[in-house]
Amino acid sequence: EAGVTQSPTHLIKTRGQQATLRCSPISGHTSVYWYQQALGLGLQFLLWYDEGEERNRGNFPPRFSGRQFPNYSSELNVNALELEDSALYLCASSFLPANTEAFFGQGTRLTVV
Amino acid sequence: EDQVTQSPEALRLQEGESSSLNCSYTVSGLRGLFWYRQDPGKGPEFLFTLYSAGEEKEKERLKATLTKKESFLHITAPKPEDSATYLCAVHPEYGNKLVFGAGTILRVKS
Repeated sequence: EAGVTQSPTHLIKTRGQQATLRCSPISGHTSVYWYQQALGLGLQFLLWYDEGEERNRGNFPPRFSGRQFPNYSSELNVNALELEDSALYLCASSFLPANTEAFFGQGTRLTVV
Repeated sequence: EDQVTQSPEALRLQEGESSSLNCSYTVSGLRGLFWYRQDPGKGPEFLFTLYSAGEEKEKERLKATLTKKESFLHITAPKPEDSATYLCAVHPEYGNKLVFGAGTILRVKS
């Protein structure tokens, strides 16, 4: 069974541009979570989607947004990129919207230059 | 505010030298405590979920325990392949998200 898959693996953008990151959850999982892991920092919660709706949001500015599609895959968009947005962006999915035993993808390494 | 503190920040062990990692937490109601292993440049790999004080879970050389204020990850006779960053996270009662600690970097030398 395929795990959580994220694309692209690496992404290099220029300050001010927009980045789009994609996530496909484990088959049967309806909840998708996005986390940011900046160098030297712990994982910070970004967004939670369940059944196509945004259910919870972390302490990030509105230029971090996303959506969940009918097939439960998800997209994270970061507008007006800043240098400090450089980080590993991790997607996780779970079967129930209780984050129990959430499984993570390999992440997208975003570098803003 | 929900908070997770892991100690030590880094730990160097000789192969076979058992030790423990600590995760202390303050949270408004605990729905679950999670341990993950993360290798460099990769996503966290799920290890354990603990739900109530007194609960213990084991997997190979790892054993996780939980009290009302902290959790321990005991590593028995570690091997070099156990080298990784170990992350602890709590699921608060309110707000469906995981709050992570900064992690403990474990290095096991042969």
